[in-house]
Amino acid sequence: QKEVEQNSGPLSVPEGAIASLNCTYSDRVSQSFFWYRQYSGKSPELIMSIYSNGDKEDGRFTAQLNKASQYVSLLIRDSQPSDSATYLCAVTSGGTSYGKLTFGQGTILTVHP
Amino acid sequence: NAGVTQTPKFQVLKTGQSMTLQCAQDMNHNSMYWYRQDPGMGLRLIYYSASEGTTDKGEVPNGYNVSRLNKREFSLRLESAAPSQTSVYFCASSDRHPNYGYTFGSGTRLTVV
Repeated sequence: QKEVEQNSGPLSVPEGAIASLNCTYSDRVSQSFFWYRQYSGKSPELIMSIYSNGDKEDGRFTAQLNKASQYVSLLIRDSQPSDSATYLCAVTSGGTSYGKLTFGQGTILTVHP
Repeated sequence: NAGVTQTPKFQVLKTGQSMTLQCAQDMNHNSMYWYRQDPGMGLRLIYYSASEGTTDKGEVPNGYNVSRLNKREFSLRLESAAPSQTSVYFCASSDRHPNYGYTFGSGTRLTVV
């Protein structure tokens, strides 16, 4: 079993729809969770971080964390073509809230007009 | 501009050649990391340095060596390049505050022929 696993893609949604990206992790002591966006040929950029169970909203993005189910998700409301990218879920390891991250394999999102 | 600078951006090597990838950050971060990214594999940790003077192996260290030259610089060396090391390499840095995640460099596209 992979340490961090994301829902297989690619995911295609129409403009204006909600895109839902999911991630599960295996290390029960993980404390910090991140979503990165990576455009083709570019480096990953941090878009959301979450540490406590529940929802965290930032503009059109909502991260959801459920530590009991070892599950973290990212919702993108009112999806735009500019949201088309690969989304990477990342989780800290070793029980610390900072430090080395383990990444999922990424989910490719395409938002079509 | 503040950030993580990687050099070179592109490199083609012949099998058996050696090279060093350079990385420098100017954000006074304690921790630095080297990842490789292959299609469908996400980002995999090669080596990391939690603080100046320390280095540790990550998930895929074979065939690589690193040097934390000072707090700013963290280099990755391929002693005898192999075609399996064809990849995109990213350097990243972070501090202990969890909210900020990683800052990534722009990447090095390495092809070994």
